[in-house]
Amino acid sequence: GNSVTQMEGPVTLSEEAFLTINCTYTATGYPSLFWYVQYPGEGLQLLLKATKADDKGSNKGFEATYRKETTSFHLEKGSVQVSDSAVYFCALSDRGNTDKLIFGTGTRLQVFP
Amino acid sequence: DVKVTQSSRYLVKRTGEKVFLECVQDMDHENMFWYRQDPGLGLRLIYFSYDVKMKEKGDIPEGYSVSREKKERFSLILESASTNQTSMYLCASSRDSRMNTEAFFGQGTRLTVV
Repeated sequence: GNSVTQMEGPVTLSEEAFLTINCTYTATGYPSLFWYVQYPGEGLQLLLKATKADDKGSNKGFEATYRKETTSFHLEKGSVQVSDSAVYFCALSDRGNTDKLIFGTGTRLQVFP
Repeated sequence: DVKVTQSSRYLVKRTGEKVFLECVQDMDHENMFWYRQDPGLGLRLIYFSYDVKMKEKGDIPEGYSVSREKKERFSLILESASTNQTSMYLCASSRDSRMNTEAFFGQGTRLTVV
């Protein structure tokens, strides 16, 4: 079945460091791919998405490119801030009869001044 | 502003109680979902619904049921709460899959079963 694998955390960085959080997926067909972010005490919110191969999603300085050949959707940011500290979830939508979202286990990012 | 509202942020219930978690969305979305979130396990789908009175089991439906009598409301029911159902529960909604849009989440209900 469809699945998402993302790197375990926590990821600990200093402010202005470069961030990469790895995400790979297994899916039949052509899923849409998402990154969601969960700030402390809140629900999940969409960070960015890509709906087809080679698409690049971007938002708030974060980017991820849909790589069909490597089945990956790695999240990157050139310079992280303390306010980016959160849990990041990679997800796919199987776009069958319903938009069932399948999530990875989440990666906690901690950014220190 | 779009909104998914869960009726409680925190709940404490006793083993064996029947528990209702309520979720309401104001976006006229067709799809609604219930997930539970546990450390190290990410989000796991319990049930989802793609239309009124329609429901489908997710990955971990055992011990749960759902109800969707109106389009905007999706209820999760724990028939007889057990301590292993202590968790964070997240409700989400989205448009029909052909619209290929994002899911919107509520703030979560942290349920403790004692």
